[in-house]
Amino acid sequence: GQQVMQIPQYQHVQEGEDFTTYCNSSTTLSNIQWYKQRPGGHPVFLIQLVKSGEVKKQKRLTFQFGEAKKNSSLHITATQTTDVGTYFCAGLVATDSWGKFQFGAGTQVVVTP
Amino acid sequence: DADVTQTPRNRITKTGKRIMLECSQTKGHDRMYWYRQDPGLGLRLIYYSFDVKDINKGEISDGYSVSRQAQAKFSLSLESAIPNQTALYFCATRGQGGPEAFFGQGTRLTVV
Repeated sequence: GQQVMQIPQYQHVQEGEDFTTYCNSSTTLSNIQWYKQRPGGHPVFLIQLVKSGEVKKQKRLTFQFGEAKKNSSLHITATQTTDVGTYFCAGLVATDSWGKFQFGAGTQVVVTP
Repeated sequence: DADVTQTPRNRITKTGKRIMLECSQTKGHDRMYWYRQDPGLGLRLIYYSFDVKDINKGEISDGYSVSRQAQAKFSLSLESAIPNQTALYFCATRGQGGPEAFFGQGTRLTVV
């Protein structure tokens, strides 16, 4: 079964509000990546986190990697309609060969104007 | 032109038929992947290849086979399609030195 779990599966957000999506792994990860898939599109790489406790920001998006390297979060502030889509985390298990990332089920984000 | 191209983009096939999905890339990447996407299940890895002579099963390889004809080409075959293989299929590539995976536009396959 999937080792990388994402919650929530769906997120309805009012435009201008903040929200967070979480990614949890049953095993320690070497690194974690985040992707965004627009409706009808394909996943597009957003960022990679490697270090324990790492925090990276991209404009209104804040990505965090947990201290134990088993969880990660994506926080979006002041949500806009352009944030609509499904956000996936993809973790590389520490014992797996480089490149064999495991994707979470994704958080589908719907933004209400 | 897209860096990662999948053909066909859409396909409807009958149960029991053999079908091949093709992927080609112009990025010069050595690593190529096939995923299937189902609602609520995200992207699940079918097969991956780190070079022409290296092919590995992913988490859901049963019922599928692959061929890495060249560094730039990676094909996925369904030997005898069944309805629960109806899904959106993505090919992806990744360079040896970089973290980012580049996805194709996807192939929507329907097995009736």
